[in-house]
Amino acid sequence: DADVTQTPRNRITKTGKRIMLECSQTKGHDRMYWYRQDPGLGLRLIYYSFDVKDINKGEISDGYSVSRQAQAKFSLSLESAIPNQTALYFCATAYSESGELFFGEGSRLTVL
Amino acid sequence: AQTVTQSQPEMSVQEAETVTLSCTYDTSESDYYLFWYKQPPSRQMILVIRQEAYKQQNATENRFSVNFQKAAKSFSLKISDSQLGDAAMYFCAYRWRKGFKTIFGAGTRLFVKA
Repeated sequence: DADVTQTPRNRITKTGKRIMLECSQTKGHDRMYWYRQDPGLGLRLIYYSFDVKDINKGEISDGYSVSRQAQAKFSLSLESAIPNQTALYFCATAYSESGELFFGEGSRLTVL
Repeated sequence: AQTVTQSQPEMSVQEAETVTLSCTYDTSESDYYLFWYKQPPSRQMILVIRQEAYKQQNATENRFSVNFQKAAKSFSLKISDSQLGDAAMYFCAYRWRKGFKTIFGAGTRLFVKA
């Protein structure tokens, strides 16, 4: 089983719908992140969290919200999806000192 | 603000040949990490190599090596003896050691020709 698991892997939805992307990890890492990948733009940070009481906005948080339900679970919500939120979304974790990110397999979201 | 620039949107290499992917970054910090991540068609993000800025020696991992030029803020990835499985998108990334955010470049798509 993957250490960082994202669900769903793929989702097609309509404008205005509420969408939740879920992430769970078994690595025991304190830090969790949500990134968005768009062609030609690389990965951009949406939100990050150090524990259940510590949530921080990244560079592109508008239109998104998150919930850290437990150390191992970090969910991303789109309250009212719009077409320009069509993208590949990654959840990632990090151990505080190692520097590197450990990624889930990505969730491809299409908003029609 | 820190930035990471990959100026080559696409690169192509013949199988068994060597290719170098370029990356430059901008930071006012002196202690940081630099990374190369690989994203094959499966879309999984895989760490290829990591460099710690305080280490002068260039990192190597089997066929992958970097040329880290701290003063020039340059961090290129060299892939030797290229294989078909090396075909992927490659992302250069930066993180300040005391920071919490990893910043990514736009990526370079590498094609490997048989």
